[in-house]
Amino acid sequence: GNSVTQMEGPVTLSEEAFLTINCTYTATGYPSLFWYVQYPGEGLQLLLKATKADDKGSNKGFEATYRKETTSFHLEKGSVQVSDSAVYFCALTISSASKIIFGSGTRLSIRP
Amino acid sequence: GAVVSQHPSRVICKSGTSVKIECRSLDFQATTMFWYRQFPKQSLMLMATSNEGSKATYEQGVEKDKFLINHASLTLSTLTVTSAHPEDSSFYICSAQGQGDYEQYFGPGTRLTVT
Repeated sequence: GNSVTQMEGPVTLSEEAFLTINCTYTATGYPSLFWYVQYPGEGLQLLLKATKADDKGSNKGFEATYRKETTSFHLEKGSVQVSDSAVYFCALTISSASKIIFGSGTRLSIRP
Repeated sequence: GAVVSQHPSRVICKSGTSVKIECRSLDFQATTMFWYRQFPKQSLMLMATSNEGSKATYEQGVEKDKFLINHASLTLSTLTVTSAHPEDSSFYICSAQGQGDYEQYFGPGTRLTVT
């Protein structure tokens, strides 16, 4: 079946530290991959996406590369800020007609 | 573009009453809408998928008579929690998807508290 496994949290870092949140997937076919962010008390916002192998999604300093050979889509940021504190969800879809499969979420806290 | 709104953002109701949550796509036509439930510090659980003009498809374990979903137009879907109980207290999030679009656009969520 299709599934997403992501790094368990919580992750606590100091401001300006380097961030990596690991995400791996299992999928039949060729999935599109996403990272969503959820700030406290809010719904989900799409952070970045990649629709085919070797694509790199990027937004707000965050990056993730679609690695088919390792079935991974790790989220990285070179220098985190306090405002990046949120829960991050890795996700996939198989096609436009299919539902999103979410990972369990990783809570990130950044210390000033 | 691609803005989805939910109303209300927070609602408190008494046990045994029903509450309706609206999900609207403001600037696009949503052929498909999804309803999710999120428990504290957990991931989103898909409850049902609804296509405009047809009955919703519920995920296994979700009571369709308790969680009534209507998708009467291309911009509006409603979730009605009937005879609510405290265990129905949760964060409900909708998302909307346009024709042929693989991306879902999420609403800001509705926090339901049943007392």
